[in-house]
Amino acid sequence: EAGVTQSPTHLIKTRGQQVTLRCSPISGHTSVYWYQQALGLGLQFLLWYDEGEERNRGNFPPRFSGRQFPNYSSELNVNALELEDSALYLCASILGVAENTEAFFGQGTRLTVV
Amino acid sequence: GNSVTQMEGPVTLSEEAFLTINCTYTATGYPSLFWYVQYPGEGLQLLLKATKADDKGSNKGFEATYRKETTSFHLEKGSVQVSDSAVYFCALPNTGNQFYFGTGTSLTVIP
Repeated sequence: EAGVTQSPTHLIKTRGQQVTLRCSPISGHTSVYWYQQALGLGLQFLLWYDEGEERNRGNFPPRFSGRQFPNYSSELNVNALELEDSALYLCASILGVAENTEAFFGQGTRLTVV
Repeated sequence: GNSVTQMEGPVTLSEEAFLTINCTYTATGYPSLFWYVQYPGEGLQLLLKATKADDKGSNKGFEATYRKETTSFHLEKGSVQVSDSAVYFCALPNTGNQFYFGTGTSLTVIP
């Protein structure tokens, strides 16, 4: 069974540009989570999607947005990129309720903003 | 909301040394507790979990016991190997159904 897949694995963007990251959850998982892992920092919760709806978002500006498609895959969009957006962006999917089950992570997308 | 406090790193140990990484939590109710590991250049993967008080999770020689009385979930391994070099994260579900992760503890094991 395929795990959580993310694309692209690496990309380099210029400050002010826009970027779209993609995530495909494990088959059957309806919840997708996005996290930002900046260098030297822990995982910061960005967004949670479930059944096509945004259920919760972390303390990030509105230029971070996303969506979830009917097949439960998800996109994370970041507009007006800033240097401090350089980070590893991780996607995770969960089957059921987070309280009782593990989150499965993708390998991440390494974004560098120059 | 729920949160964890994790031991600061980095930690450097010689091969076959004993490892302890401390994790304490604050939670409403009794959620499951998790340890994740991140090897260099990779995403996170589940190392072990415990679903209720006094449960012991174990995997690959690592163990952690869900201690309600001390609100702790410390990670231990009796004899570390070079291949255990990674970043370790303590985690628990938070309100809003997302996971809350500790700051991570970087472990380097030297031969």
